[in-house]
Amino acid sequence: DGGITQSPKYLFRKEGQNVTLSCEQNLNHDAMYWYRQDPGQGLRLIYYSQIVNDFQKGDIAEGYSVSREKKESFPLTVTSAQKNPTAFYLCASSPSGSGGPYEQYFGPGTRLTVT
Amino acid sequence: AQSVTQLDSQVPVFEEAPVELRCNYSSSVSVYLFWYVQYPNQGLQLLLKYLSGSTLVKGINGFEAEFNKSQTSFHLRKPSVHISDTAEYFCAVRALDTDKLIFGTGTRLQVFP
Repeated sequence: DGGITQSPKYLFRKEGQNVTLSCEQNLNHDAMYWYRQDPGQGLRLIYYSQIVNDFQKGDIAEGYSVSREKKESFPLTVTSAQKNPTAFYLCASSPSGSGGPYEQYFGPGTRLTVT
Repeated sequence: AQSVTQLDSQVPVFEEAPVELRCNYSSSVSVYLFWYVQYPNQGLQLLLKYLSGSTLVKGINGFEAEFNKSQTSFHLRKPSVHISDTAEYFCAVRALDTDKLIFGTGTRLQVFP
């Protein structure tokens, strides 16, 4: 049963701590993405990766970091430099990293609360 | 660059009534267009997509959308809604040669009995 898994579903952290959100896909997709969702703002792209060992900043990359060491995994670290980290984080993947008539497939999301 | 405007942040409607969720986009190049649905505390699920060809696109759960190039619109419609259609709906656009999907701010559809 192919899909995207994100863990955990809910995550609580104290201010000043780094936290890593997991994203795994078994769809054999080349491209993976991280979005942040805030109420009334839609989805904003944090980072994306078109191929293993390569990634690019999205529109709101400050305070975040990623790695892409394996095709199926794209973890996101929310660092203490991110000023407002409380949000719903969504991971997605698509078959190709170079355009084409493909949609993105989304995971179930991780809700991060930082106090 | 591309942008998407969803004109209504909330749309209340009674069960079995028709509904239209509006989406307008801006782009200087050809684009693909998508509608996604999000149920509370879940990820996004693709409803339908326009890639090329027929401007009327049918999707899951009885939804359809019409691509209008002259009006740069991609409105989502359903002739008769159900309580289970209560969710947030996102319109998205992507230029043909890029990977970046640009989302609208979403429309919350609330279906009342």
